[in-house]
Amino acid sequence: KAGVTQTPRYLIKTRGQQVTLSCSPISGHRSVSWYQQTPGQGLQFLFEYFSETQRNKGNFPGRFSGRQFSNSRSEMNVSTLELGDSALYLCASSSGGEETQYFGPGTRLLVL
Amino acid sequence: GDSVTQMEGPVTLSEEAFLTINCTYTATGYPSLFWYVQYPGEGLQLLLKATKADDKGSNKGFEATYRKETTSFHLEKGSVQVSDSAVYFCALSHSGGYQKVTFGTGTKLQVIP
Repeated sequence: KAGVTQTPRYLIKTRGQQVTLSCSPISGHRSVSWYQQTPGQGLQFLFEYFSETQRNKGNFPGRFSGRQFSNSRSEMNVSTLELGDSALYLCASSSGGEETQYFGPGTRLLVL
Repeated sequence: GDSVTQMEGPVTLSEEAFLTINCTYTATGYPSLFWYVQYPGEGLQLLLKATKADDKGSNKGFEATYRKETTSFHLEKGSVQVSDSAVYFCALSHSGGYQKVTFGTGTKLQVIP
């Protein structure tokens, strides 16, 4: 099976812009979770989608949003970018019934 | 809420040395426990997992045992290689209606020849 894929791999934006990141889960997986990884805060949970519904949400401002499509692909959007949003954004998928999550390579976002 | 505590890094070892990375957790119920590894410039890879008390997860020479009495899941390897240099994350997750993994802060391992 192909693994979790994320696009783009690298992105440079300026403050105030918005950005959309994409994640394609492992075939058959219906749960997609998003994480932000920074040197200072480590890995922080953003949100999880299952069958197009957000099931769980972390403690991030409303500028961070996501959605999931009927084919389980997911997108994450960050509006009004701030310098502090520079991070590696990781997507993970699972079947939804078991706990093991499988991670993509991440999208590295740099906000200037 | 749930939390995972890992030993501070970086850990520097010579090749063929014995490795232990400590991990303890706080959680309600009976979570599943994981070790993930992140190589430079890459995402996280599942290294091993254990789903109930006294289970031992193992992979690529790494082992960890789920100790409920001490709420620990320490990672061990008998003989490390340079290629093991990476950041290791301990994590926990609950089964059920949602997927949310709680990670430790990560421990950087550097193995020198």
